Amino acid sequence: EDKVVQSPLSLVVHEGDTVTLNCSYEVTNFRSLLWYKQEKKAPTFLFMLTSSGIEKKSGRLSSILDKKELFSILNITATQTGDSAIYLCAVEGRGNTPLVFGKGTRLSVIA
Amino acid sequence: DGGITQSPKYLFRKEGQNVTLSCEQNLNHDAMYWYRQDPGQGLRLIYYSQIVNDFQKGDIAEGYSVSREKKESFPLTVTSAQKNPTAFYLCASSIGANSPLHFGNGTRLTVT
Repeated sequence: EDKVVQSPLSLVVHEGDTVTLNCSYEVTNFRSLLWYKQEKKAPTFLFMLTSSGIEKKSGRLSSILDKKELFSILNITATQTGDSAIYLCAVEGRGNTPLVFGKGTRLSVIA
Repeated sequence: DGGITQSPKYLFRKEGQNVTLSCEQNLNHDAMYWYRQDPGQGLRLIYYSQIVNDFQKGDIAEGYSVSREKKESFPLTVTSAQKNPTAFYLCASSIGANSPLHFGNGTRLTVT
């Protein structure tokens, strides 16, 4: 059974801190790993990772995948209160199988 | 603007009643999905459909039913057989495999 484990489940930091969110996975015939941010309602897409060692970056957010050790990290530098959200990790196997999501990490950034 | 519309945003029902949640997309996506989100549980897949007139059960399909008569629409019925229906329900769509999901804003269902 495909599985995604995120850690920590929740995290409280101060503005300006740097955070690292973790996602480990077990999936048959890995195709891709995706990160989403969920503030109030609809999760919004952040990154899709398919290759090991290639960092994806968007502003203060970055993510990298290690296919040998089966994990990914999402880094957020110089955190702001607007980064407060649930961050979801999901993996996709080959053969049109739907995404499998982890339980998410709830990040709270306090001023 | 293209997107996914879920309605209603909030829904209240008495125990024992069936209820249908609407999901419509104008993105011309082939695949559509229903997820349930409970606090601390992440997203769990209820049903998905990769093409019109076809759908498959997800991990927690018991007590739910769907239809996919049109490409744009994928309604979810929560039946009285669902033991714990109070939750946040998210609908999503995608072009197909290896493409990100686009989510609706969700429907929060409360059954008392």
